Amino acid sequence: AQKVTQAQTEISVVEKEDVTLDCVYETRDTTYYLFWYKQPPSGELVFLIRRNSFDEQNEISGRYSWNFQKSTSSFNFTITASQVVDSAVYFCAFYQKVTFGTGTKLQVIP
Amino acid sequence: GAVVSQHPSRVICKSGTSVKIECRSLDFQATTMFWYRQFPKQSLMLMATSNEGSKATYEQGVEKDKFLINHASLTLSTLTVTSAHPEDSSFYICSARLAGGSNEQFFGPGTRLTVL
Repeated sequence: AQKVTQAQTEISVVEKEDVTLDCVYETRDTTYYLFWYKQPPSGELVFLIRRNSFDEQNEISGRYSWNFQKSTSSFNFTITASQVVDSAVYFCAFYQKVTFGTGTKLQVIP
Repeated sequence: GAVVSQHPSRVICKSGTSVKIECRSLDFQATTMFWYRQFPKQSLMLMATSNEGSKATYEQGVEKDKFLINHASLTLSTLTVTSAHPEDSSFYICSARLAGGSNEQFFGPGTRLTVL
């Protein structure tokens, strides 16, 4: 069975602070994909990143960065200098048979 | 990039009526489409997997007679909520997987169903 755990249900930060959203997964598969999605209040899922199990390179995209560590089965997401527009629910998802984490609601306070 | 549309984006219906939601892949062919349901403040739960030209595979606990899925072409899947009740009110999201073996799914914008 596979499982995705996002232990932080809600996080509040003051604008310009950095914030890290945690994602831990469990699987016996050797080949899999990990994703992060953003869901703003409008409800639409916004794709942020895809990472396959063979690529442990960390990635940076603007203010966003991701740290994938197979040794700890974690795929954490950091927002640097958070902005109010970053307020949303963020989901970590695991693909073979797709499994979503429970989501982390991020509120950035101006 | 691959685009998936859903129609309608919002629907309000009376209890006992049926509602059809369409999911279309606009610029690619999708042999497999997925339907998810999301209750307020909860995660997405996979309801069913539909493959073009064959019967959908439903997840445990999802009533196949309640949620009818048709995947008649490589670009269209429909979800019909039959005899809707207030407890069926939810956010329904579809996704489409590229034909050709890639594991990536592309999500539609979702349909918010409210049953009065």
